[in-house]
Amino acid sequence: GIQVEQSPPDLILQEGANSTLRCNFSDSVNNLQWFHQNPWGQLINLFYIPSGTKQNGRLSATTVATERYSLLYISSSQTTDSGVYFCAVERSRSGNTGKLIFGQGTTLQVKP
Amino acid sequence: DGGITQSPKYLFRKEGQNVTLSCEQNLNHDAMYWYRQDPGQGLRLIYYSQIVNDFQKGDIAEGYSVSREKKESFPLTVTSAQKNPTAFYLCASVRTGNTGELFFGEGSRLTVL
Repeated sequence: GIQVEQSPPDLILQEGANSTLRCNFSDSVNNLQWFHQNPWGQLINLFYIPSGTKQNGRLSATTVATERYSLLYISSSQTTDSGVYFCAVERSRSGNTGKLIFGQGTTLQVKP
Repeated sequence: DGGITQSPKYLFRKEGQNVTLSCEQNLNHDAMYWYRQDPGQGLRLIYYSQIVNDFQKGDIAEGYSVSREKKESFPLTVTSAQKNPTAFYLCASVRTGNTGELFFGEGSRLTVL
C-alpha cells in the first residue's frame, strides 16, 4: 500500500518563527489533506490539497503531485499552533472516498 | 451548531468486556468512519460506511463491529476479541460527492484494565 512519511518528527520553535513541514508519499494520490491535532486530541482539517497551492491566514500548503510531496508552511508561529500535524492521502480509482492513509505526524511545540 | 458528537470521552473497562462507542453527526453527511490512534502514531481506519445499512472493513477491523441503521449514527463496538483495545478512537464523516474532506469528532479514549 501507499506509504506516507512526514518530517521532521518533532519541531520546537520560538513564538514568531516560521516553519516548513514536509510530507512524502510513495504513489500518486487523488486526495491529500493536512490536519492539526490539538493537545486535547481534536483533529481539525487545515487543507484539502491534492495539487497546487493554498493559503489560509498564516498557514499555506503546496503539493507537487508529480514529485510526490507536500509542504505545510506556518508563518509567525503562535503558541496555539502547538500540537501534531498530520498529512493524509488517498489513492482510489473511484474518486475521493475519505479512506485516508495517515503519516506519523510532526509534533510542533511553540514556546512563548 | 452542526458537528460530530462522540461519547463517552473517557471510558475504562475490564478485559473481556465489550464496549460500545457512540458517534452521532448532524451534518447530513453520507459517509462515516472510525479511526484508531495509538500514542505517537498516525490514525488507522477500522470501519467505514458510505450509506445507511452498508459498511466496509478498513485496515484493522479485527475485533471490532459496527452498525449503520441511521444516517446520523455509526456506533463502534470494541469486542473482547480485540487484543489490544486501549487507544484513542476517532469518528469522522464526509459528504459523498464532495472533495472527501474529513470532519472529526473529539474522540473517545478507551482504557482497558
